[in-house]
Amino acid sequence: DAGVIQSPRHEVTEMGQEVTLRCKPISGHNSLFWYRQTMMRGLELLIYFNNNVPIDDSGMPEDRFSAKMPNASFSTLKIQPSEPRDSAVYFCASTSKGELAFFGPGTRLTVL
Amino acid sequence: RKEVEQDPGPFNVPEGATVAFNCTYSNSASQSFFWYRQDCRKEPKLLMSVYSSGNEDGRFTAQLNRASQYISLLIRDSKLSDSATYLCVVAPKAGTALIFGKGTTLSVSS
Repeated sequence: DAGVIQSPRHEVTEMGQEVTLRCKPISGHNSLFWYRQTMMRGLELLIYFNNNVPIDDSGMPEDRFSAKMPNASFSTLKIQPSEPRDSAVYFCASTSKGELAFFGPGTRLTVL
Repeated sequence: RKEVEQDPGPFNVPEGATVAFNCTYSNSASQSFFWYRQDCRKEPKLLMSVYSSGNEDGRFTAQLNRASQYISLLIRDSKLSDSATYLCVVAPKAGTALIFGKGTTLSVSS
């Protein structure tokens, strides 16, 4: 099993640009989570999906952030427009047991 | 009060030492508990689940006190390779997302 796959691994962009992060969960997993990690705030849940349906997006910072899961094997997290304070590591995780989560390697985002 | 609180450390210990990490959680209805380990610039990975009766995995022992809403992790005979950040993790209820503490950093030196 390839595990959770995320792309890109690193992204450097300028303020105001659109950023799209991608995630492929582990095959057969029915829940997918997007987390953001910073030194100041640690790991924060942004949004999670069960069976491709968004269940809780209360962690999404503001309207500039949006997430989709068009099918069981793909999800995107989009930031438009990006701001320097969005700089962080964004992790995608998936699970089939409802609790135990396997994380992808993360996308390290830098917004200049 | 934060949902999951940990002492950030760092804990600096010599090889062979025993070290303990503590964690408190605010939601008394929380159902599942874990310790994750995160190496520098890597993703978090499950270290062990935490059960009410306490559980052990080699040099690692986890304890849960539901009455005090308190979780602990004990590492015996520390190795250099134990150097990492240890994240206390709580699942409020089945099917919901995991809530992470900010982590406790451990540095084991020779």
